[in-house]
Amino acid sequence: QSVLTQPPSVSAAPGQKVTISCSGSSSNVENNYVSWYQQLPGTSPKLLIYEDTERPSGTPDRFSGSKSGKSATLGITGLQTGDEADYYCATWDSTLNAGVLFGGGTKLTVL
Amino acid sequence: QVTLKESGPALVKPTQTLTLTCTFSGFSLSTSGMRVSWIRQPPGKALEWLARIDWDNDKFYSISLKTRLTISEGTSKNQVVLTMTNMDPVDTATYFCVRQSPTYFFDFWGQGTLVTVSS
Repeated sequence: QSVLTQPPSVSAAPGQKVTISCSGSSSNVENNYVSWYQQLPGTSPKLLIYEDTERPSGTPDRFSGSKSGKSATLGITGLQTGDEADYYCATWDSTLNAGVLFGGGTKLTVL
Repeated sequence: QVTLKESGPALVKPTQTLTLTCTFSGFSLSTSGMRVSWIRQPPGKALEWLARIDWDNDKFYSISLKTRLTISEGTSKNQVVLTMTNMDPVDTATYFCVRQSPTYFFDFWGQGTLVTVSS
């Protein structure tokens, strides 16, 4: 059971929008930057969003990050079949001696 | 171009010590702010951060695994080594070497190496 809570799965049709939540606490999500990773089947995770809302070069603007209080959200618009993947949130936790927490992961299915 | 690659045994026996090497290029660990972490992922499960080494040789460990882990620079300046003692079947996972930013996100990942613990 991860300290950062994500829904196990979400699904939507191509072209639609989906959001994935990441809930934590004041020692992690609320007061530290959140990052998001996309893991396509059989591959290494890839940085999607960093510092809550920033996109690295190469991340399409269909992907967005936001945060409010103890919860962060990844939004994906204009869903494509190639977006089917596992998505993880991560953040630093001030009680863990520089340790980074990951969410349990969310499997996105594009119907 | 930043790359990282993990190497080590694919199979270890219970109670043995695992030694993994990360060989990286495109950056220098001696540059201020640079950090390299190890992260693992059991089959079908979530990611778990294990350890980190910083440009100033500071080292940090997962609280739950601290007594079993050691992270260090390798014999070459572009290598980081992770050792994990007393391996158990629950440690079966893909182990990733990752570059970490000062604000804690992981921007470059190795391909990962699957380690199976079995007698």
